[in-house]
Amino acid sequence: AQSVSQHNHHVILSEAASLELGCNYSYGGTVNLFWYVQYPGQHLQLLLKYFSGDPLVKGIKGFEAEFIKSKFSFNLRKPSVQWSDTAEYFCAVTARGWGKFQFGAGTQVVVTP
Amino acid sequence: EAEVAQSPRYKITEKSQAVAFWCDPISGHATLYWYRQILGQGPELLVQFQDESVVDDSQLPKDRFSAERLKGVDSTLKIQPAELGDSAMYLCASSLGAQRDTDTQYFGPGTRLTVL
Repeated sequence: AQSVSQHNHHVILSEAASLELGCNYSYGGTVNLFWYVQYPGQHLQLLLKYFSGDPLVKGIKGFEAEFIKSKFSFNLRKPSVQWSDTAEYFCAVTARGWGKFQFGAGTQVVVTP
Repeated sequence: EAEVAQSPRYKITEKSQAVAFWCDPISGHATLYWYRQILGQGPELLVQFQDESVVDDSQLPKDRFSAERLKGVDSTLKIQPAELGDSAMYLCASSLGAQRDTDTQYFGPGTRLTVL
């Protein structure tokens, strides 16, 4: 069975600091990878996704993620965070052709002014 | 911008009672999903519809949970009887097509269920 692991449950950082959130999955086949974000009081929404091609994927609001197949990882990064990036971030994986979304437990990110 | 609608937003019930949640997906979206999100965890898929047909309900506790999407548009998720462990956020999502492993899912605001 596939699984998704997000290493940090809570991250607190200051504005302008760099952010990196870890996501590892366990599945031996081809996968599709997603990062979703939930801002306070808002719905879950797609941040970025990777299916194939360039393993460095750029999403909305300056976020990017890198797929490293050999490490089964899809880490999310942002070079300089803003207070408005305070949110919960979820990594999700689907096995190609199978399709059931498997979400990680989420990482709560708090950016202080 | 079109959104997924859910009601009620909050529901408090006593155990052994019946509860029902409603979801109206984005117009034209063929696929509808129900998720359960327990505090501190990520969403877990309960059931997925393609139009009016169930395509995945492997994680749905069928002894007490039921879901329907009779006309392939809006959907209802029911729990009868509710148990204390059912307290969670119930999320509905929809996507445009049938490619569930690639289509972007659009989520509703969720229904927060508390079972006393």
